[in-house]
Amino acid sequence: QVQLQESGPGLVKPSATLSLTCSVSGGSFSGHFWTWIRQPPGKGLEWIAHIHSTGSTAYNPSLQSRVTISLDMSKSQFSLKLTSMTAADTAVYYCARTWDYWGQGIRVTVSS
Amino acid sequence: DIVMTQTPLSLSVTPGQPASISCKSSQSPLHTNGRTYLYWYLQKPGQPPQLLIFEVSNRFSGVPERFSGSGSGTDFTLKISRVEAEDVGVYYCLQSTQLPTFGQGTRLDIK
Repeated sequence: QVQLQESGPGLVKPSATLSLTCSVSGGSFSGHFWTWIRQPPGKGLEWIAHIHSTGSTAYNPSLQSRVTISLDMSKSQFSLKLTSMTAADTAVYYCARTWDYWGQGIRVTVSS
Repeated sequence: DIVMTQTPLSLSVTPGQPASISCKSSQSPLHTNGRTYLYWYLQKPGQPPQLLIFEVSNRFSGVPERFSGSGSGTDFTLKISRVEAEDVGVYYCLQSTQLPTFGQGTRLDIK
């Protein structure tokens, strides 16, 4: 059974950079796409970015200027960086193996 | 972008009765490889979304047979043959043929 676990800060200051990591266990990292999705409080799901195990990436155009996704296959991890955080970025952030297995999510609040 | 529009936005169903959710896409999510990357998820309260259906009509591992998906072109449907109490939550459709986009969600509760 593939398992994913998000890690990172729960609180980020406005204008700071958010760094999240997703650790993957129980399955092969190779040959799959890996994805970040977010969900603002009480709202729907928004795809942020994905990366293939070969390193190819795709980004949501609305976030592309602020987002970087990367992977570390040696650690079976992939990561998200989101710069210039604002209150609008407050959300639960999920990592997923596109599109079947999801992590439990990490709640990130942007506040001073 | 492909816009995914779900209807209804909410429904209340008596246990044992059927339920149906529609998802219409602004463009066909049919890929040039012949596959249609259309998915259905259920997000139970306080949990991450769980995959129910992939590529329009394929039930994911462990998903009960009462869930079925169908559709083609720009019109897709998720059906629950007999709703159970554990089916409560928000249902989302997703296309990933182009840059991924989700429907706005349909909240199902029990009468």
